[in-house]
Amino acid sequence: DTAVSQTPKYLVTQMGNDKSIKCEQNLGHDTMYWYKQDSKKFLKIMFSYNNKELIINETVPNRFSPKSPDKAHLNLHINSLELGDSAVYFCASSQLLAGGPGTDTQYFGPGTRLTVL
Amino acid sequence: GESVGLHLPTLSVQEGDNSIINCAYSNSASDYFIWYKQESGKGPQFIIDIRSNMDKRQGQRVTVLLNKTVKHLSLQIAATQPGDSAVYFCAENNNAGNMLTFGGGTRLMVKP
Repeated sequence: DTAVSQTPKYLVTQMGNDKSIKCEQNLGHDTMYWYKQDSKKFLKIMFSYNNKELIINETVPNRFSPKSPDKAHLNLHINSLELGDSAVYFCASSQLLAGGPGTDTQYFGPGTRLTVL
Repeated sequence: GESVGLHLPTLSVQEGDNSIINCAYSNSASDYFIWYKQESGKGPQFIIDIRSNMDKRQGQRVTVLLNKTVKHLSLQIAATQPGDSAVYFCAENNNAGNMLTFGGGTRLMVKP
């Protein structure tokens, strides 16, 4: 069983379009995240949600709007796509949000490669 | 190979040799550090972690060393195998919230 799944795996679209990426986790975790990985493999957090509430928004343009219908899902909608949005987007989940004595291991999905033409 | 954030250094080792991947972190307040392995076309996968109250932690074939004085983290892989070929990331977590800040990554290539 896939722990963190994302759809689609590949997304090719024209500049200016609106697109969504879906993420689901079956680990029973309370926290979910979106990361962006650029062409140089640099990974940067975009958002984190805990129990469906936005916790972290790392200066991401408001064209990006995450939506969490329940704590097992965190979807990413992107409006007016730009060339610079081309990247691999990773969803992740973990049980804990704040650092604590337990592990804070995040489990990553397989990624969605977005190409904006 | 040391991760410096802006490019992807590569470490090439012979199968069977030991590998050492280095990472410099910047936040002296960070208290939790993680190494991730990312194979081609996949998401990052947890390898091993260490808290700031330790300076060494061992797993199966992997050891993480933490030097808080110079803010340096290293991952040692014993008897490197072809399946170890991947990009390795260090990440630091701080108490502001479960937010990981990733280093730039090091590509490990294992020659048969």
